[in-house]
Amino acid sequence: EIVLTQSPATLSLSPGERATLSCRASQSVSNYLAWYQQKPGQAPRLLIYDASNRAPGVPARFSGSGSGTDFTLTISSLEPEDFAVYYCQQRANWPPYTFGQGTKLEI
Amino acid sequence: EVQLVESGGGLVQPGGSLRLSCAASGFTLSTFWMSWVRQAPGRGLEWVANINQAGNKYYVDSVKGRFTISRDNAKNSLYLQMNSLRIEDTAVYYCAREVTGWGFANWGQGTLVTVSS
Repeated sequence: EIVLTQSPATLSLSPGERATLSCRASQSVSNYLAWYQQKPGQAPRLLIYDASNRAPGVPARFSGSGSGTDFTLTISSLEPEDFAVYYCQQRANWPPYTFGQGTKLEI
Repeated sequence: EVQLVESGGGLVQPGGSLRLSCAASGFTLSTFWMSWVRQAPGRGLEWVANINQAGNKYYVDSVKGRFTISRDNAKNSLYLQMNSLRIEDTAVYYCAREVTGWGFANWGQGTLVTVSS
C-alpha cells in the first residue's frame, strides 16, 4: 500500500498570500496524483488530477506540480473561500486508492 | 447536472448490518467506475470499495468479507451492504463517481453511520 504524507499538518496564512502544500509518496506514483479541497460539513471537491491538471471550474490560482514521489499544490493568492482542508490521493497502485492525512489551511 | 444522493445511514450496534444507497442522476451509473469513500469523525478520507462497468468489485482489506458493493442499473443506484459492523466503521460514507484519468470527480453529500452500543 502506498502511503501519502502531507505537510505541513496546518498552514496559517492570510488572504492574498501564497500557499504551498506538500504531498510525498512512499513509492513512485508517476503523475497519478490528485488534490481535493474539503470545507467543513461538505464533501470533498476535486481540484487537480494527474498532478498538474485543473478540474473543470477550478480557478487558475490553483496549480499542481511534481512527479514520482514529491508533489506540490500551490495557491498563488489566497481568497477567503480557500481556507479548508486539502487532501492528496494516488491512483497509481491500487487497490487500495490512498489519501494523505490532509493539510488544514487556516487564516 | 451530475447528482449523487446517499441514504441509509444511522445508528447500529456492533455486529449489526446496514445498507447504504446512492441514487445517481445526470449520468448513467453503470458506465462509470463508482466508489464508496468514508471519513471517520474528525479524520481523513479512506477509500472503501469500488465497482467497474463490468461489475468487478474491489475492497480495502479492512472491509473484505464484511461489506459488499453493488448496483441496480434499472434504478441507476449504487449500494453498500455492511455486515458485522465494528465501532471503527463509524464514519460519513460518500459515494463518488470516478472519471477515468481524473479521480473522484463527483461526490454525494454523505450519510453518517454510527456503530455504537
